[in-house]
Amino acid sequence: EAGVTQFPSHSVIEKGQTVTLRCDPISGHDNLYWYRRVMGKEIKFLLHFVKESKQDESGMPNNRFLAERTGGTYSTLKVQPAELEDSGVYFCASSDREETQYFGPGTRLLVL
Amino acid sequence: ILNVEQSPQSLHVQEGDSTNFTCSFPSSNFYALHWYRWETAKSPEALFVMTLNGDEKKKGRISATLNTKEGYSYLYIKGSQPEDSATYLCAFMSGGSYIPTFGRGTSLIVHP
Repeated sequence: EAGVTQFPSHSVIEKGQTVTLRCDPISGHDNLYWYRRVMGKEIKFLLHFVKESKQDESGMPNNRFLAERTGGTYSTLKVQPAELEDSGVYFCASSDREETQYFGPGTRLLVL
Repeated sequence: ILNVEQSPQSLHVQEGDSTNFTCSFPSSNFYALHWYRWETAKSPEALFVMTLNGDEKKKGRISATLNTKEGYSYLYIKGSQPEDSATYLCAFMSGGSYIPTFGRGTSLIVHP
């Protein structure tokens, strides 16, 4: 069974540019989560989808971040315009039951 | 805001040494405690999900204990090997929320 995949694995952009991250969850998993880890800090929750609906987006830092999950399959996280403090590792996770989450390898974003 | 602390922040040991580290979390409203193993550029890998006070779980040379009354969990590695080098993350889930709160992790380096 394929795990959670994320694309791209790395992205280097300039401040003010736009970046879109993609997450493909494990097939059949209704729950999809986005997290971010800034270097040296803890992994922090951004938002939670159940199918195509946003269940909880309390962790989204501001309106420069937009997450979508059209059709309830893959999800995208767009940062527009990117700022220096957005640099970090963006993880996606999915689950069929809410207790056990399976993580992707992350997208390493560097904003210069 | 839930406080999840991991100590030590980093640890260097020699191959063959046994080691342990700590995750502390709020002692009230406990639901579950997760341990993950994360190698850079790979997906965080779930090691244990612990739900009951007094739980002890084992996976090969790695084991974990849980004390929900005092709010801590220990992760033990017996006979460390270089391939055990990774960051070990714990994540606390409180009752009523399926969103985990992560600690900052313990970075373990095992020297041959």
